[in-house]
Amino acid sequence: QQNVQQSPESLIVPEGARTSLNCTFSDSASQYFWWYRQHSGKAPKALMSIFSNGEKEEGRFTIHLNKASLHFSLHIRDSQPSDSALYLCAVPPNYNVLYFGSGTKLTVEP
Amino acid sequence: DPKIIQKPKYLVAVTGSEKILICEQYLGHNAMYWYRQSAKKPLEFMFSYSYQKLMDNQTASSRFQPQSSKKNHLDLQITALKPDDSATYFCASSQDRTGGYEQYFGPGTRLTVL
Repeated sequence: QQNVQQSPESLIVPEGARTSLNCTFSDSASQYFWWYRQHSGKAPKALMSIFSNGEKEEGRFTIHLNKASLHFSLHIRDSQPSDSALYLCAVPPNYNVLYFGSGTKLTVEP
Repeated sequence: DPKIIQKPKYLVAVTGSEKILICEQYLGHNAMYWYRQSAKKPLEFMFSYSYQKLMDNQTASSRFQPQSSKKNHLDLQITALKPDDSATYFCASSQDRTGGYEQYFGPGTRLTVL
């Protein structure tokens, strides 16, 4: 079973800032690495995923993965108030069961 | 139209009672899951089903029993309810049980046990 840790626990940034969220995991055998976003009172929704070392960009969001250091991160460029949410990283083992971190609560102030 | 339906949205129960949480997905997916989220614990995996068969069980207590009557249904029966069972229960589904497929979450059932 994966041990997934997230940092920081919470973050407050001004609108337009670049935001970085971190996730560490324990089992390097995992192949897929996910970020989910959960707005208050809503269901979690997948934001993006990565399956190989390196970087993947989708719009304002970028994931970095370094399997050797058991670490991946999410970077948000030009943060918007609508980005305010709980961000959850998830690392499935070799089958599709999501082990989530405890989340980073992001607040983007206008 | 909602693709994953969970019923009821809110549920209040008394300690010791039994409740059933309903989940139906209309995405044509073959794998379904239950997760639980409370103020005390982060979002945690409970069960996974693939083609109506139980594949993974992370729940230590036998008071939690998933039930799949149809391919697109996965209900969760909880017996002998305790206040610690108070949480939001999310049903999810994915195309398959392999790791690369996105999981889609339902809106959740918020259970309060008094």
